[in-house]
This record gives sequence, structure tokens and C-alpha cells, in this order.
Amino acid sequence: GAVVSQHPSRVICKSGTSVKIECRSLDFQATTMFWYRQFPKQSLMLMATSNEGSKATYEQGVEKDKFLINHASLTLSTLTVTSAHPEDSSFYICSASRQGLSNQPQHFGDGTRLSIL
Amino acid sequence: AQKITQTQPGMFVQEKEAVTLDCTYDTSDPSYGLFWYKQPSSGEMIFLIYQGSYDQQNATEGRYSLNFQKARKSANLVISASQLGDSAMYFCAMREPNTGNQFYFGTGTSLTVIP
Repeated sequence: GAVVSQHPSRVICKSGTSVKIECRSLDFQATTMFWYRQFPKQSLMLMATSNEGSKATYEQGVEKDKFLINHASLTLSTLTVTSAHPEDSSFYICSASRQGLSNQPQHFGDGTRLSIL
Repeated sequence: AQKITQTQPGMFVQEKEAVTLDCTYDTSDPSYGLFWYKQPSSGEMIFLIYQGSYDQQNATEGRYSLNFQKARKSANLVISASQLGDSAMYFCAMREPNTGNQFYFGTGTSLTVIP
């Protein structure tokens, strides 16, 4: 079964709307989760590292005020795309991994396809 | 410098044949993990196989095996007896303990299995 759950799977909304995406780890506690953005036929681009109980760490070029990340519990991280515009349309995917040894894979949610009209 | 390099943007293989997807990596850390993921057109990322830097043997998981050549810093994925359902994007990734849980992904290889 799924280890990481991501909702919603698809969002279509008007320009100017704020969209919240949830990422839940189902089987384990995740002090760290990751948010990626993926354009068609390209690799995953790390946007930010979500840290439970503290501020997220954003990658260079990612607007903090645009992509708000909240990691309020050990099993839930949320990404809010504020005042979304057509250029924010993309595939967003989150991941989490069990702590400890480096042999732990990242488990991914099923992703969210965001379309801004 | 790129941490993970996948030089094959697209690959084709005949059904039931084997195919090798290339991956080279760059790290100065003696301890690291290498992973392969499959991403079908539906978008989900499916974990396939793991190889640790200290592992003496090549990892195998069913039809997937990893050709690990540490001195050359390569970790090629071999898929045996290809099936139509293997058509997807394949990503190689590396995890270094010194960077916490962050993964570095390659640019991916699009595999098409021909009937």
C-alpha cells in the first residue's frame, strides 16, 4: 500500500486562486519531507525541504512567499501555491523517507497536477 | 558539477529483450546510496532498486539488477525480459548522509518497449 499520500491529485482553478496540497506519511514519522516540481519530460526539481516544527529550506530561485510550506506534524506537510498564475501550472510531488540509514528510499506521493486557467 | 548523470534521453528495446540504462555519479563521500525509480505516464514515482556504496554484490530485485562499478562511479540499471509495462521514465538518484535526506536525481531516461 501507499506509504506517502498526496492530495489532491489534480487541481484546475482560476488565476489568482491559492491552492493547498497535502502530503502525509502513512507508515512512519517524517521530520523531513521534500517538495518537487516537474515540468513535462524533465527531471524532478527540488523546491524546498520541509522541516517539522521549523521553517522550510528553499532552493535558490524558489519564492518563499509564493510557495508556502507548513510542516505542523510529523506526518503532514502542506504546500500552498499562493495567488497562482498560469506559469505555476505544473506537476508537484512530495516525498518522505524513514530516518536513519542511507539505504532508505524516498517514498513519493502520487503527485498533484496543477492547472491554472 | 552534476551529481547524477544519465546520458540516454531515450531508449528503445524489443519486448523480452534486456536493456541497460546508464547512470554515473559524482561524490567524494565514501558512504552513499544509489537508487533507481520508475515514473510511468501517470506520474507516480516507483522505487525499484537500491545499491549501497559498501555493498560487495550487485543489487537485484526480480527483473531489475544494478551493475555497480564503484571505481568508475557508475550504477547502471539492467532490466531483463522487457515487458510493455516497462515503458516509462527511469531516474537514477543518489543519497549522501552529509546532506541529510536529500536525494539528487538525474535527468532521466525514457524507455519504450516495442512489441
